[in-house]
Amino acid sequence: DGGITQSPKYLFRKEGQNVTLSCEQNLNHDAMYWYRQDPGQGLRLIYYSQIVNDFQKGDIAEGYSVSREKKESFPLTVTSAQKNPTAFYLCASSIGLLGPGSSYEQYFGPGTRLTVT
Amino acid sequence: QKEVEQDPGPLSVPEGAIVSLNCTYSNSAFQYFMWYRQYSRKGPELLMYTYSSGNKEDGRFTAQVDKSSKYISLFIRDSQPSDSATYLCAMSGHYGGSQGNLIFGKGTKLSVKP
Repeated sequence: DGGITQSPKYLFRKEGQNVTLSCEQNLNHDAMYWYRQDPGQGLRLIYYSQIVNDFQKGDIAEGYSVSREKKESFPLTVTSAQKNPTAFYLCASSIGLLGPGSSYEQYFGPGTRLTVT
Repeated sequence: QKEVEQDPGPLSVPEGAIVSLNCTYSNSAFQYFMWYRQYSRKGPELLMYTYSSGNKEDGRFTAQVDKSSKYISLFIRDSQPSDSATYLCAMSGHYGGSQGNLIFGKGTKLSVKP
């Protein structure tokens, strides 16, 4: 089955520790995204990548880092510099934004709920 | 003024009712409009995708876009308890760079009572 997987579903960390959230897709999509969702805030874009080895900051990139070494994978690291890391993190992918067949339709993974104490 | 406005609800309706969910937006460059459904503690799933103005129907769901009023709607006919979820609108402009990214509303929480 094609889709997006995120692991783990729940993650607990102590303040001051870096943590990496996994996102894998087998949809052969070029573009991948990371969002953060807080109650009453909607989805806010952290980072996005339109192609392997390239990524751009979204609206709230401070305290986060990403890599895109493979088309299928787009891990997100929440660093100790992120002031309020406790949130629901969502990964998404789309066919892409460049060239023929590009699409805005984004497909989401099941999310990772991160709690930092 | 925020780019996308969506009433957070909650909205509670009896089973079988027609539900109307709405978003307004300020950026006239938006041309692609989407509705997502999100169950509690799950990722959003794409329900409807509309380009420019007009209507699109899929089963019990109808999406409407009125670009002149900068207003989009999602109608759910014969609502079911399984429709209880948060509904997010999302939209975007021309593709390429950050203009191609989706801008989301905050979501409307819907509850359909049996």
